Amino acid sequence: EAGVAQSPRYKIIEKRQSVAFWCNPISGHATLYWYQQILGQGPKLLIQFQNNGVVDDSQLPKDRFSAERLKGVDSTLKIQPAKLEDSAVYLCASSTRQGLGYTFGSGTRLTVV
Amino acid sequence: DAKTTQPTSMDCAEGRAANLPCNHSTISGNEYVYWYRQIHSQGPQYIIHGLKNNETNEMASLIITEDRKSSTLILPHATLRDTAVYYCIVRGAAAGTALIFGKGTTLSVSS
Repeated sequence: EAGVAQSPRYKIIEKRQSVAFWCNPISGHATLYWYQQILGQGPKLLIQFQNNGVVDDSQLPKDRFSAERLKGVDSTLKIQPAKLEDSAVYLCASSTRQGLGYTFGSGTRLTVV
Repeated sequence: DAKTTQPTSMDCAEGRAANLPCNHSTISGNEYVYWYRQIHSQGPQYIIHGLKNNETNEMASLIITEDRKSSTLILPHATLRDTAVYYCIVRGAAAGTALIFGKGTTLSVSS
Protein backbone atom coordinates (compact mmCIF):
# COMPACT_ATOMS: atom_id res chain seq x y z
CA GLU A 1 0.00 0.00 0.00
CA ALA A 2 1.10 3.57 -0.55
CA GLY A 3 2.63 5.27 2.46
CA VAL A 4 2.05 8.69 3.98
CA ALA A 5 2.97 11.34 1.42
CA GLN A 6 4.40 14.71 2.44
CA SER A 7 5.53 17.72 0.45
CA PRO A 8 7.69 19.61 0.02
CA ARG A 9 10.68 17.55 1.13
CA TYR A 10 12.75 20.63 1.95
CA LYS A 11 11.94 24.30 2.45
CA ILE A 12 14.10 27.31 3.25
CA ILE A 13 12.42 30.59 4.19
CA GLU A 14 13.35 33.82 5.89
CA LYS A 15 12.05 34.63 9.34
CA ARG A 16 8.65 36.32 9.39
CA GLN A 17 7.65 34.63 6.13
CA SER A 18 4.86 32.08 5.97
CA VAL A 19 5.08 28.43 4.94
CA ALA A 20 2.70 25.52 4.44
CA PHE A 21 3.23 21.79 4.50
CA TRP A 22 0.97 19.18 2.95
CA CYS A 23 0.21 15.62 4.02
CA ASN A 24 -1.75 12.85 2.34
CA PRO A 25 -2.38 9.96 4.76
CA ILE A 26 -2.74 6.28 4.00
CA SER A 27 -6.09 5.58 2.36
CA GLY A 28 -8.74 4.75 4.91
CA HIS A 29 -6.83 6.12 7.90
CA ALA A 30 -9.19 8.26 9.94
CA THR A 31 -6.59 9.68 12.31
CA LEU A 32 -3.85 12.08 11.27
CA TYR A 33 -1.02 13.49 13.38
CA TRP A 34 1.49 16.31 12.88
CA TYR A 35 4.80 16.22 14.75
CA GLN A 36 7.70 18.65 15.03
CA GLN A 37 11.19 17.20 15.38
CA ILE A 38 13.99 19.56 16.33
CA LEU A 39 17.51 18.32 15.62
CA GLY A 40 18.68 15.86 18.27
CA GLN A 41 15.26 15.43 19.86
CA GLY A 42 12.40 12.98 19.51
CA PRO A 43 9.28 13.96 17.55
CA LYS A 44 6.86 16.22 19.47
CA LEU A 45 3.14 15.90 18.79
CA LEU A 46 1.62 19.18 17.58
CA ILE A 47 -1.92 18.22 16.64
CA GLN A 48 -4.11 15.16 16.15
CA PHE A 49 -7.16 14.91 13.89
CA GLN A 50 -9.91 12.31 13.85
CA ASN A 51 -11.50 12.63 10.41
CA ASN A 52 -11.76 16.43 10.07
CA GLY A 53 -12.10 17.17 13.79
CA VAL A 54 -9.31 18.14 16.17
CA VAL A 55 -8.70 15.62 18.97
CA ASP A 56 -5.69 17.27 20.59
CA ASP A 57 -3.92 20.54 19.76
CA SER A 58 -2.60 21.33 23.23
CA GLN A 59 1.03 21.51 22.00
CA LEU A 60 0.32 23.61 18.91
CA PRO A 61 1.61 27.23 19.19
CA LYS A 62 -1.67 28.70 18.04
CA ASP A 63 -0.37 32.25 17.72
CA ARG A 64 1.60 31.23 14.64
CA PHE A 65 0.74 27.64 13.73
CA SER A 66 -2.51 26.45 12.19
CA ALA A 67 -3.64 23.17 10.71
CA GLU A 68 -6.67 21.92 8.90
CA ARG A 69 -7.95 18.68 7.50
CA LEU A 70 -10.80 19.53 5.22
CA LYS A 71 -12.91 16.56 4.07
CA GLY A 72 -11.06 14.32 6.52
CA VAL A 73 -8.32 13.26 4.11
CA ASP A 74 -5.43 15.59 3.23
CA SER A 75 -4.07 18.01 5.78
CA THR A 76 -2.03 21.21 5.72
CA LEU A 77 0.09 22.70 8.48
CA LYS A 78 0.88 26.41 8.24
CA ILE A 79 3.32 28.64 10.07
CA GLN A 80 2.84 32.41 9.90
CA PRO A 81 5.08 34.21 10.68
CA ALA A 82 8.01 31.82 10.99
CA LYS A 83 10.71 32.20 13.64
CA LEU A 84 14.25 30.88 13.67
CA GLU A 85 13.30 28.31 16.33
CA ASP A 86 10.74 26.77 13.96
CA SER A 87 13.61 25.18 12.04
CA ALA A 88 12.84 21.47 12.32
CA VAL A 89 11.51 18.44 10.49
CA TYR A 90 7.72 18.34 10.34
CA LEU A 91 6.40 14.80 10.29
CA CYS A 92 2.94 13.62 9.39
CA ALA A 93 1.57 10.25 10.51
CA SER A 94 -1.72 8.45 10.12
CA SER A 95 -3.49 5.50 11.69
CA THR A 96 -6.87 3.83 11.73
CA ARG A 97 -9.50 5.13 14.14
CA GLN A 98 -8.40 2.41 16.56
CA GLY A 99 -4.78 3.51 16.30
CA LEU A 100 -3.60 0.60 14.18
CA GLY A 101 -1.07 0.87 11.36
CA TYR A 102 0.51 4.04 12.78
CA THR A 103 2.74 5.12 9.88
CA PHE A 104 4.96 8.15 9.37
CA GLY A 105 5.85 10.08 6.26
CA SER A 106 9.42 11.11 5.45
CA GLY A 107 8.84 14.63 6.70
CA THR A 108 9.49 18.17 5.52
CA ARG A 109 12.75 19.75 6.61
CA LEU A 110 12.20 23.46 7.29
CA THR A 111 15.09 25.87 7.66
CA VAL A 112 14.30 29.42 8.79
CA VAL A 113 17.10 31.91 8.15
CA ASP B 1 1.36 8.45 29.39
CA ALA B 2 4.03 6.62 31.39
CA LYS B 3 7.54 7.84 30.82
CA THR B 4 10.36 5.66 29.58
CA THR B 5 14.09 5.74 30.26
CA GLN B 6 16.58 4.60 27.67
CA PRO B 7 20.38 4.85 27.41
CA THR B 8 21.47 7.73 25.22
CA SER B 9 23.68 5.60 22.99
CA MET B 10 24.90 2.05 22.40
CA ASP B 11 27.40 0.37 20.12
CA CYS B 12 27.15 -3.05 18.48
CA ALA B 13 29.38 -5.07 16.18
CA GLU B 14 27.89 -6.15 12.88
CA GLY B 15 26.49 -9.68 13.06
CA ARG B 16 26.10 -9.62 16.81
CA ALA B 17 22.85 -9.28 18.72
CA ALA B 18 21.87 -5.77 19.77
CA ASN B 19 20.00 -5.61 23.08
CA LEU B 20 18.33 -2.26 23.73
CA PRO B 21 16.92 -1.77 27.24
CA CYS B 22 14.00 0.40 28.30
CA ASN B 23 12.65 1.18 31.75
CA HIS B 24 8.96 2.02 32.18
CA SER B 25 8.40 1.56 35.90
CA THR B 26 5.11 3.52 36.02
CA ILE B 27 3.41 1.63 33.21
CA SER B 28 -0.29 0.92 33.73
CA GLY B 29 -1.91 -2.46 33.24
CA ASN B 30 -3.55 -1.60 29.92
CA GLU B 31 -0.63 0.24 28.37
CA TYR B 32 1.39 -1.27 25.55
CA VAL B 33 5.13 -1.06 24.92
CA TYR B 34 5.97 0.06 21.39
CA TRP B 35 9.33 0.26 19.65
CA TYR B 36 10.01 2.49 16.68
CA ARG B 37 13.28 3.37 15.00
CA GLN B 38 14.35 6.35 12.93
CA ILE B 39 17.05 6.13 10.34
CA HIS B 40 18.71 9.39 9.35
CA SER B 41 16.46 11.65 7.23
CA GLN B 42 13.48 9.30 7.44
CA GLY B 43 10.32 9.18 9.49
CA PRO B 44 10.04 6.76 12.44
CA GLN B 45 9.42 3.15 11.45
CA TYR B 46 7.38 0.65 13.46
CA ILE B 47 9.33 -2.34 14.79
CA ILE B 48 7.25 -4.26 17.30
CA HIS B 49 4.87 -3.88 20.23
CA GLY B 50 3.62 -5.95 23.15
CA LEU B 51 1.48 -5.94 26.28
CA LYS B 52 2.64 -8.75 28.57
CA ASN B 53 4.03 -11.62 26.54
CA ASN B 54 7.26 -11.70 24.61
CA GLU B 55 6.81 -10.94 20.94
CA THR B 56 8.85 -11.77 17.84
CA ASN B 57 8.55 -10.71 14.22
CA GLU B 58 10.80 -10.62 11.19
CA MET B 59 12.61 -7.55 12.47
CA ALA B 60 13.13 -8.10 16.18
CA SER B 61 12.12 -9.67 19.48
CA LEU B 62 10.59 -7.87 22.43
CA ILE B 63 11.16 -9.21 25.92
CA ILE B 64 8.95 -7.70 28.64
CA THR B 65 9.71 -8.48 32.28
CA GLU B 66 7.03 -10.18 34.34
CA ASP B 67 6.38 -7.04 36.38
CA ARG B 68 6.24 -5.05 33.09
CA LYS B 69 8.54 -2.38 34.49
CA SER B 70 11.16 -2.87 31.81
CA SER B 71 11.66 -4.37 28.40
CA THR B 72 14.43 -5.22 25.94
CA LEU B 73 14.38 -4.96 22.18
CA ILE B 74 16.61 -7.56 20.55
CA LEU B 75 17.95 -7.29 17.01
CA PRO B 76 19.35 -10.80 16.61
CA HIS B 77 21.95 -10.14 13.91
CA ALA B 78 22.64 -6.42 13.64
CA THR B 79 23.70 -4.99 10.29
CA LEU B 80 25.07 -1.59 9.35
CA ARG B 81 21.56 -0.64 8.16
CA ASP B 82 20.29 -1.04 11.73
CA THR B 83 22.20 2.09 12.75
CA ALA B 84 19.40 4.40 13.90
CA VAL B 85 17.69 6.03 16.87
CA TYR B 86 15.45 3.55 18.67
CA TYR B 87 12.43 4.81 20.62
CA CYS B 88 10.67 2.88 23.37
CA ILE B 89 7.14 4.24 23.86
CA VAL B 90 4.43 3.37 26.34
CA ARG B 91 1.05 3.86 24.76
CA GLY B 92 -2.43 3.70 26.21
CA ALA B 93 -4.93 1.21 24.83
CA ALA B 94 -7.65 3.78 24.14
CA ALA B 95 -8.53 4.05 20.46
CA GLY B 96 -6.48 6.61 18.60
CA THR B 97 -3.99 7.31 21.38
CA ALA B 98 -1.05 9.25 19.97
CA LEU B 99 2.55 8.07 20.23
CA ILE B 100 4.56 10.30 22.55
CA PHE B 101 8.29 10.09 21.90
CA GLY B 102 11.21 10.50 24.29
CA LYS B 103 14.83 10.97 23.30
CA GLY B 104 15.53 7.37 22.32
CA THR B 105 18.76 5.38 22.06
CA THR B 106 21.21 5.97 19.23
CA LEU B 107 22.46 2.56 18.13
CA SER B 108 25.67 2.52 16.13
CA VAL B 109 26.49 -0.72 14.33
CA SER B 110 30.06 -1.03 13.08
CA SER B 111 31.93 -3.58 11.00
